[in-house]
Amino acid sequence: EAGVTQFPSHSVIEKGQTVTLRCDPISGHDNLYWYRRVMGKEIKFLLHFVKESKQDESGMPNNRFLAERTGGTYSTLKVQPAELEDSGVYFCASSQLGQGAWNEQFFGPGTRLTVL
Amino acid sequence: RKEVEQDPGPFNVPEGATVAFNCTYSNSASQSFFWYRQDCRKEPKLLMSVYSSGNEDGRFTAQLNRASQYISLLIRDSKLSDSATYLCVVTLNSGGYQKVTFGIGTKLQVIP
Repeated sequence: EAGVTQFPSHSVIEKGQTVTLRCDPISGHDNLYWYRRVMGKEIKFLLHFVKESKQDESGMPNNRFLAERTGGTYSTLKVQPAELEDSGVYFCASSQLGQGAWNEQFFGPGTRLTVL
Repeated sequence: RKEVEQDPGPFNVPEGATVAFNCTYSNSASQSFFWYRQDCRKEPKLLMSVYSSGNEDGRFTAQLNRASQYISLLIRDSKLSDSATYLCVVTLNSGGYQKVTFGIGTKLQVIP
C-alpha cells in the first residue's frame, strides 16, 4: 500500500513568490494534517482536515497560508507571498478517522522549502 | 515554558550501551504519549506508544509517569542502526480529536 506522498520534495523560491505544496494521504484516511519544522525548532502543527473540512487551523501562521482539500482526497498548502521565515520542512500526515481516539499518524517525506 | 521538553543532545554512546531519554510535558490534561523516530532527512515514524504500565518492544522500553508529567525511553544494547532523532509526542483532546505536540527531539549517535 502506498504511503503518504508529498510534492515537490524540494522547492527554492524567492521572497514574494508563491509556492504550492501537495500532499496525497494514504487511501481511505480521512484525517489529514500539515506540520512544519523550522530549522532548530520543533515540528509544529499547522492544521487538520477531516475529509474536506478544516477541523483545526489554529497552527496556521498567518493569512499568507492557505490550505485546501477539495473532495477530501489530496490537499494543497499555498504560501503567498512567501517570506524568508517560511523556510523549513513541511510535513503532511494522515490517519484513519477515529473521533476522540488516537489513530497512528503516518507521515509523508516532507517538502523542504527554501525562501531566498 | 514549552509544552513538551526534551534534551536535544546529541547523546553519543558506544554500541551495546544502554541509553535513556526523558521528556516532560506541561499540560496535565494530555492524553496519549508516543515516541517517534526520525532518521536524518526522513519523515518521523512511530516507534512505540507509552503507557503508565510501561511498554516494552524488544530492546526498547517506554514508561509514562503522570504524577511527574514525564515519559521515558530506554534503549538496551544499542545498535548502530539506532542512531536517529527520537521525538517525544503528546496529544491533547481538541474538539473531539487528538491534537499533537512534538518535542524538539533527542539526537542519538551510536558509535562503533
